[in-house]
Amino acid sequence: AQSVTQPDIHITVSEGASLELRCNYSYGATPYLFWYVQSPGQGLQLLLKYFSGDTLVQGIKGFEAEFKRSQSSFNLRKPSVHWSDAAEYFCAVDNTGNQFYFGTGTSLTVIP
Amino acid sequence: DAMVIQNPRYQVTQFGKPVTLSCSQTLNHNVMYWYQQKSSQAPKLLFHYYDKDFNNEADTPDNFQSRRPNTSFCFLDIRSPGLGDAAMYLCATSRAAIYNEQFFGPGTRLTVL
Repeated sequence: AQSVTQPDIHITVSEGASLELRCNYSYGATPYLFWYVQSPGQGLQLLLKYFSGDTLVQGIKGFEAEFKRSQSSFNLRKPSVHWSDAAEYFCAVDNTGNQFYFGTGTSLTVIP
Repeated sequence: DAMVIQNPRYQVTQFGKPVTLSCSQTLNHNVMYWYQQKSSQAPKLLFHYYDKDFNNEADTPDNFQSRRPNTSFCFLDIRSPGLGDAAMYLCATSRAAIYNEQFFGPGTRLTVL
């Protein structure tokens, strides 16, 4: 079965520290990959996406993600976290052209 | 700015009392989606419209219906809300149904008393 896994349910980092959120998928071909962020009580905002080409993609708010085909991963990174980055982060995959498959999300807490 | 708008942001209804949630978009996108998101869970797709073509997910309860009278508007009707239907309902749009990013509205928080 197709799936998207975000192994970390909750992550806590100090402000200014680096961040990496993990995402793994199980599909045969290279899917289209997305990272979304959701602040409390809000909708989802697209951070970045990967369709093809350079495997390191830059997004908004200083985020980047790297697609690694050999590991079936699309991990999200940020070199220096700000308090305003505290939110829920969802990895999503579109392999069928018909539906997004969301991961279960990673909740990020940023401590001063 | 082009956007996806959901009204109301908060909706309270009584058990069994029909409720309608509204979504509108100024992006002129062909596809509109409705998701249900319960606390600390990923969004779950209920159905989507490609233009006027309605696509229901297999496990979406019959209690949930949708209407899309024109390109800009889409409605979610819950015919007889149960306590288990309390959730955030997210509307999203995409330009096409194939490999396109989805743009989300802010959501409607539904409470069932």
